[in-house]
Amino acid sequence: AQTVTQSQPEMSVQEAETVTLSCTYDTSENNYYLFWYKQPPSRQMILVIRQEAYKQQNATENRFSVNFQKAAKSFSLKISDSQLGDTAMYFCAFMAVYTGANSKLTFGKGITLSVRP
Amino acid sequence: DGGITQSPKYLFRKEGQNVTLSCEQNLNHDAMYWYRQDPGQGLRLIYYSQIVNDFQKGDIAEGYSVSREKKESFPLTVTSAQKNPTAFYLCASSIMGNSPLHFGNGTRLTVT
Repeated sequence: AQTVTQSQPEMSVQEAETVTLSCTYDTSENNYYLFWYKQPPSRQMILVIRQEAYKQQNATENRFSVNFQKAAKSFSLKISDSQLGDTAMYFCAFMAVYTGANSKLTFGKGITLSVRP
Repeated sequence: DGGITQSPKYLFRKEGQNVTLSCEQNLNHDAMYWYRQDPGQGLRLIYYSQIVNDFQKGDIAEGYSVSREKKESFPLTVTSAQKNPTAFYLCASSIMGNSPLHFGNGTRLTVT
């Protein structure tokens, strides 16, 4: 079974600064995806970024980037130039890859990020 | 526009009553999922379905039931056997093949 751990329940950052959200996971699988989802106060779940485990290069989407350390089973999210609209709950999630079948998405407990003006 | 529709947004029921949450998608996705979200618990998987007329239990299936008679629809019934039904319920779907999940806007169920 896979587990995803987000040990920080809350973080706060000043607008325009950079913040890093931590995530670790545990699995015996070798082929998998990792995700960060954002849940703003509207409670809509929004995909922020995805990382394939077989790729060594860290994924980047505009102001969002990840630091993927496969050996350490660590997957942190860096938000640069934080904006007020980044205030949300952020979930780290894991999906094992199985040929010919859909996989389940396992979530961490989430971290509440507040961006201060 | 394609998407996932969950209805209603808020639902209130008396204890002991079964209640069904609706989830419809027009994305032509094969797989559909139901998650439950509680404060401090993240999202936990209740049931998922990869194809029509087939579904599997997730991590917290007790007290819930589902059906998948049509590709577009995956309703969730919260039965009276579910001990703590008050929660926020999220439905999601994905294309077959380990692609990211797309989520609906959720249903907040309150049982008193």
